[in-house]
Amino acid sequence: GDSVTQMEGPVTLSEEAFLTINCTYTATGYPSLFWYVQYPGEGLQLLLKATKADDKGSNKGFEATYRKETTSFHLEKGSVQVSDSAVYFCALSAGSSASKIIFGSGTRLSIRP
Amino acid sequence: NAGVTQTPKFRVLKTGQSMTLLCAQDMNHEYMYWYRQDPGMGLRLIHYSVGEGTTAKGEVPDGYNVSRLKKQNFLLGLESAAPSQTSVYFCASLTSGNTIYFGEGSWLTVV
Repeated sequence: GDSVTQMEGPVTLSEEAFLTINCTYTATGYPSLFWYVQYPGEGLQLLLKATKADDKGSNKGFEATYRKETTSFHLEKGSVQVSDSAVYFCALSAGSSASKIIFGSGTRLSIRP
Repeated sequence: NAGVTQTPKFRVLKTGQSMTLLCAQDMNHEYMYWYRQDPGMGLRLIHYSVGEGTTAKGEVPDGYNVSRLKKQNFLLGLESAAPSQTSVYFCASLTSGNTIYFGEGSWLTVV
């Protein structure tokens, strides 16, 4: 069945460091891919998405490229800030059957000043 | 999170009590979902609905019931709460572009 695997955390970085959070997926068909962010005490918010191969989603300095050949959707940011500390979830939805959205287990990111 | 509203936000229950969580969305979405989030386990799907009057089981449906009598509302019920149901519950709805939007969460503690 469809699944999402993302790197385990926690990930701790210093401010202004480069960030990569890995995400790979298994799916039949051509899923849409998403990154969600959850700040402490809040719900999940859509960060960015990509709906087809080679698409790049971007928002708030974060980017992720839909790589069909490697079945990956890695999240990157060139210079992280303390305010980026949160839990990040990779997710997919299958275009032919949107009855379920599959989430990764989440990666906790902590940024040191 | 605009458009998906959950009530209540916080609740403490005694074991065996019942309660209902209400999710309302004003975006005319067909698909709605209930998830629970527990430490180290990410999000797990409890039940979902693909339209008014329909419901289906997700990954962890035991101990929960749902109803979708109106398109805009998706109710999650606990008939006899257990400590294992202490969790954060998230409702969500799905756009026609397959983007899911979440409510702000309901923190439930069963003692």
